[in-house]
Amino acid sequence: DIQMTQSPSSLSASVGDRVIITCRASQRIDSFLNWYQQKPGKAPKLLIFTASSLQIGVPSRFSGSGSGTDFTLTISNLQPEDFATYYCQQSYKTPLTFGGGTKVEIK
Amino acid sequence: EVQLVESGGGLVQPGGSLRLSCVASGFSVTTSYISWVRQAPGKGLEWVSVFYAGGSPSYADSVKGRFTMSRDDSQNTLFLQMDSLTPDDTAVYYCARDRTVTTGGFDYWGQGTLVTVSS
Repeated sequence: DIQMTQSPSSLSASVGDRVIITCRASQRIDSFLNWYQQKPGKAPKLLIFTASSLQIGVPSRFSGSGSGTDFTLTISNLQPEDFATYYCQQSYKTPLTFGGGTKVEIK
Repeated sequence: EVQLVESGGGLVQPGGSLRLSCVASGFSVTTSYISWVRQAPGKGLEWVSVFYAGGSPSYADSVKGRFTMSRDDSQNTLFLQMDSLTPDDTAVYYCARDRTVTTGGFDYWGQGTLVTVSS
């Protein structure tokens, strides 16, 4: 199975900050990497697919990069509605696997 | 409008069974990949199974041999039959649709249904 390791597991940031979350795959997954945002009691929401493509309707302050094994999610100019938990997920092969999550909290 | 609606969750004793449903609207399940993803209380996301558009299901090792995914094309509905349940299966179960069958990424999710396995 492909293991997905996210870091950090949590972080504190202020409105307007730039936040970077990293995700590392245990083997090469090309660009088959997706990012989700989840708020308490809600289903996850797709933000980024194939490592760097912005899902329709997602603000442009979200961006993704990387390929192979190392990926990043960047949130520029953090907004109040961005405080949530973020997950990476590989869609290279089954079993599909998620990272452990990064909780972004208000400083 | 694309929508997924799960149902069938509830409280069940260890060793028991439960059948979840995922009703799709706004698209055809026969041309999409639909997965079940679960989330234990306070924990992260775990992929459970996928039903390929034209093929057979695939399962996570943690549920293989106990869970069975099926599809009713006439109802545009997916099912997850869960047998031999254990407390570790306690979670909110979501069904989710792959964006495309080639690159993945779950673009639509249901609201989730809670399964609690406890005596």
